[in-house]
Amino acid sequence: AQKVTQAQTEISVVEKEDVTLDCVYETRDTTYYLFWYKQPPSGELVFLIRRNSFDEQNEISGRYSWNFQKSTSSFNFTITASQVVDSAVYFCALSDNSNSGYALNFGKGTSLLVTP
Amino acid sequence: DAGVTQSPTHLIKTRGQQVTLRCSPKSGHDTVSWYQQALGQGPQFIFQYYEEEERQRGNFPDRFSGHQFPNYSSELNVNALLLGDSALYLCASSPTGYNEQFFGPGTRLTVL
Repeated sequence: AQKVTQAQTEISVVEKEDVTLDCVYETRDTTYYLFWYKQPPSGELVFLIRRNSFDEQNEISGRYSWNFQKSTSSFNFTITASQVVDSAVYFCALSDNSNSGYALNFGKGTSLLVTP
Repeated sequence: DAGVTQSPTHLIKTRGQQVTLRCSPKSGHDTVSWYQQALGQGPQFIFQYYEEEERQRGNFPDRFSGHQFPNYSSELNVNALLLGDSALYLCASSPTGYNEQFFGPGTRLTVL
């Protein structure tokens, strides 16, 4: 069975600080996909990144970076030099071969508050 | 290029009533998934439609049903509403064989 754990419920930082959001996953499949989504107060989930299980390369996109480590079943997300606009709820999600339709299994989310 | 659209934005119903939510996928996408997000929780997968058929279903009762039309738009129906059905209902679309899902703004359902 799939499971995604985001142990951090809420994080509060001051603008320009770096912050890391943790994600730990469980799956029995060797082929799977990991995602991060951002949900601002408006409610719409915004896609940030997808990684497949065969690609452990870390990725950087502007101030965002992702660290995928299969050995620890983690897919952590770091925001460098945080900004007020980064305030949102961030969800980690998993999709594996246990379903043909690639349904997303989400964690409970981490609420990030960035204050000026 | 319009993204995923959903209607209505907000809805208030009473227990026992029935509700229909609508979703239009992003252009070029033929697969539609529905998720329920209770307050303070992550979205929970309800079901997915592809080629007008329900391809996969999550752990939701039969009171939750859906439909996909030839133009790929979709409806989510919930019968015999319960207070616990109050949530944000999110629609997501994706192209064939591609599991990156794009979400709409959601419909906020309140059951009184």
